[in-house]
Amino acid sequence: QVQLVQSGAEVKKPGASVKVSCKASGYTFTSYYMHWVRQAPGQGLEWMGIINPSGTSTTYAQKFQDRVTMTRDTSTSTVYMELSSLRSEDTAVYYCARAAAGPHYFDCWGQGTLVTVSS
Amino acid sequence: SYVLTQPPSLSVAPGKTARISCGGNNIGSKSVHWYQQKSGQAPILVIYYDSDRPSGIPERFSGSNSGSTATLTISRVEAGDEADYYCQVWDTDNDHPYVFGTGTKVTVL
Repeated sequence: QVQLVQSGAEVKKPGASVKVSCKASGYTFTSYYMHWVRQAPGQGLEWMGIINPSGTSTTYAQKFQDRVTMTRDTSTSTVYMELSSLRSEDTAVYYCARAAAGPHYFDCWGQGTLVTVSS
Repeated sequence: SYVLTQPPSLSVAPGKTARISCGGNNIGSKSVHWYQQKSGQAPILVIYYDSDRPSGIPERFSGSNSGSTATLTISRVEAGDEADYYCQVWDTDNDHPYVFGTGTKVTVL
């Protein structure tokens, strides 16, 4: 079955960077786009960006445009999201989510990675 | 950017029907997708393209979309349906094309 398994929780200091991974299995990795979505404590879902199947094209939400980088490694079926210049407001659970064949919705989600930014 | 508005909370007794609204400007012209998120878990897709159900989602979950409101309906509500529910659309705004609603907390009495 389709599975997205993310890396473990992280604690970072303000100004640092974090890189979260998402390993896919159970489907043809190179056929699907992948999104990243985050959720601050007690808050709703916020879309961050999308990377195409080959990793050659990305689209980021304007809010994160200058701080986020999404990449993918087809040899390991893994997608990465790196967020730089972290601040306390970036404390959140970060999810990878597969783009459905549709493709305008998310048909499978990772379990989430908690990133805590604290001095 | 496009805004989707949901009621913050909704309470429903077991066996009754819950209707969760998602309001947006001319949302009837867009495709609406719904996600269920139980406490401490990742979201799961429950409705896509307004009214289609993924495999494994009970028939008790249904959706509709017209005018300025989309609706997720949960019939014969069970205790296990207690969760946050989010609507989502794709918009032509290139700066933020994937938009989520504000979320509705459904409490089963």
